[in-house]
Amino acid sequence: DGGITQSPKYLFRKEGQNVTLSCEQNLNHDAMYWYRQDPGQGLRLIYYSQIVNDFQKGDIAEGYSVSREKKESFPLTVTSAQKNPTAFYLCASAEGPGLAGNSYEQYFGPGTRLTVT
Amino acid sequence: GEDVEQSLFLSVREGDSSVINCTYTDSSSTYLYWYKQEPGAGLQLLTYIFSNMDMKQDQRLTVLLNKKDKHLSLRIADTQTGDSAIYFCAEWGDTGGFKTIFGAGTRLFVKA
Repeated sequence: DGGITQSPKYLFRKEGQNVTLSCEQNLNHDAMYWYRQDPGQGLRLIYYSQIVNDFQKGDIAEGYSVSREKKESFPLTVTSAQKNPTAFYLCASAEGPGLAGNSYEQYFGPGTRLTVT
Repeated sequence: GEDVEQSLFLSVREGDSSVINCTYTDSSSTYLYWYKQEPGAGLQLLTYIFSNMDMKQDQRLTVLLNKKDKHLSLRIADTQTGDSAIYFCAEWGDTGGFKTIFGAGTRLFVKA
């Protein structure tokens, strides 16, 4: 059963600690994305990766870091430098660009709600 | 840069039709999407339309695209309480650099 998973669903951390959010997909997708969603707001792109071992900053990358060592995995680290880390984090994946017939729709995981106190 | 705008709220009675509207700025948009988000969950793709189409129907969902006015709408026929959710309009085009641009979402309330 193909899909995209995020763990954990809820995460609590003390201010000043780094925390890593997991994202795994078995859809064989090349592209993966991390978004942040704040209450009553849309999605803001943090980082994205179009292929293994490559990633680009999105609109709000400051205070975050990622890695893409495997096609299936795209973990996001929220560092202590992120000023307001409490939010709902969504991971998504999509088929890579350049594939014939690709409609580039993104498939989302269930999200991780991070609370930092 | 590219932008996608939606109204924030819509309230309808159960059984009525809902129409959620969206405008976008990227004239090179290739695909336009509608996603649904239920409380505490990720986004689920409902439907999408290619830019050379002006309408797409899928069961209770009808998507209309006015490319000249850069206007997209989603009509939900016979709206049910289970349709209560946030609906996101999104677009993908060459100028987006392989990024999908999302609107802020329209929260649909369905009254029984």
